[in-house]
Amino acid sequence: SQQGEEDPQALSIQEGENATMNCSYKTSINNLQWYRQNSGRGLVHLILIRSNEREKHSGRLRVTLDTSKKSSSLLITASRAADTASYFCATDAADSNYQLIWGAGTKLIIKP
Amino acid sequence: EAEVAQSPRYKITEKSQAVAFWCDPISGHATLYWYRQILGQGPELLVQFQDESVVDDSQLPKDRFSAERLKGVDSTLKIQPAELGDSAMYLCASSHRGNNSPLHFGNGTRLTVT
Repeated sequence: SQQGEEDPQALSIQEGENATMNCSYKTSINNLQWYRQNSGRGLVHLILIRSNEREKHSGRLRVTLDTSKKSSSLLITASRAADTASYFCATDAADSNYQLIWGAGTKLIIKP
Repeated sequence: EAEVAQSPRYKITEKSQAVAFWCDPISGHATLYWYRQILGQGPELLVQFQDESVVDDSQLPKDRFSAERLKGVDSTLKIQPAELGDSAMYLCASSHRGNNSPLHFGNGTRLTVT
């Protein structure tokens, strides 16, 4: 089952612009993670935000978490062609025995 | 940086044949996962190991799929017999024990059943 839902399903922007992706989930969580997947490759962990955190930064990435709305956003600033990939959120539900539940992903295309 | 190794990278098999995938996790990672990913979708957990024990295999089609991690290190996922609907990417991932530990993925095995 998939508890996370990413929005939008696909996003196409010009290089240099900022990209924002959203993730909504259904149950209480321990943490929420964002991963990137280049075409035909495995997923790469980007950032983990705990349920008691509201914002986290890593380089050009900024993640926010609103537990009252059960939602998270991933902002990529100053996008580059190399950011073209699919982005997935995964939630570690509070009663899930450490099992991650994944969304269907946002496909991001950066146009040069 | 250490990586999760998977083989083969690609596999084409005819339906009703047996197929096996191998995964070598990052050294020291107690938890190992097998995921199936259909194109355009998120990963779906098939089985999760903690050391050599199965923690969760509730989504594993046990009539045709089996997984083992005999010594708590590398792991094998087998499908017998393969069906057309098994065509997908099979991803292995590993992590340290417990939550708040990010998953490290291999590059997967792309299975095509003809």
